[in-house]
Amino acid sequence: QQQVKQSPQSLIVQKGGISIINCAYENTAFDYFPWYQQFPGKGPALLIAIRPDVSEKKEGRFTISFNKSAKQFSLHIMDSQPGDSATYFCAARYSGYSTLTFGKGTMLLVSP
Amino acid sequence: GAVVSQHPSWVICKSGTSVKIECRSLDFQATTMFWYRQFPKQSLMLMATSNEGSKATYEQGVEKDKFLINHASLTLSTLTVTSAHPEDSSFYICSARSTSYYEQYFGPGTRLTVT
Repeated sequence: QQQVKQSPQSLIVQKGGISIINCAYENTAFDYFPWYQQFPGKGPALLIAIRPDVSEKKEGRFTISFNKSAKQFSLHIMDSQPGDSATYFCAARYSGYSTLTFGKGTMLLVSP
Repeated sequence: GAVVSQHPSWVICKSGTSVKIECRSLDFQATTMFWYRQFPKQSLMLMATSNEGSKATYEQGVEKDKFLINHASLTLSTLTVTSAHPEDSSFYICSARSTSYYEQYFGPGTRLTVT
C-alpha cells in the first residue's frame, strides 16, 4: 500500500519557469513532511520540510504548500535553473514513529 | 548543518565475499540510523532501522543474516553484506537522526557491484 503518492513521475520545465511537484498522503497521523533532492550517484539531500500546523513554508526559491484538509502538499521551485535538474522525493513520517515513507520520486529536467 | 559520511563510496567485490560499509554522523550524535537500498530510477527502499546499542529492526523481506547491521556507537553504524551475489549489486544509502534534530540526514551512498 503506497501511503504517499507523488506526481508527476517526470517534469520538463524551461529555465526561469516554475516547477511544481505534488504529493498526496492517506494517513492523518503523519506529522512531518520533508522534500529531498537527489542528484545521480549521490545521496538525497534535505531541501525543505513542513509540519501540518502551517500552510506554507518558503526557503529561497523553494516553497512547500500544505493543504491539511485535502491531505496534499506540493513543492514549488521558482525561477527554475538547469542546476535544479535532479530527482525530487517527498516523504512523510508518522507522529512518534521515526521511519520516513517516501513517494516514488519526480525526475525534473530544467532546459536551458 | 548535519553531515553524514559513508565509506567506501564505491566497491567492487567477487561473488561469495563479504563487504562492509561504514556510516558516520560527523557533527551530531545519531541515536537512530537507517539503511536504504536504491535501484536505478527508483525510490528509496528502507532495509532496516537501528538504535544505538540495540539490535536492528529489519523490514519485511530483508534477510537479516545476509545484511548485518551494527550500531555500536552514537556516530557509527555498519552494514555488512555477507556472501554477496550479483543480485546484491545496488546503491546503499545510510541515514541518521538524533534527538536534537527532527530532520533525517542522508549519507552520499555506496555503490556496490558484485561480479
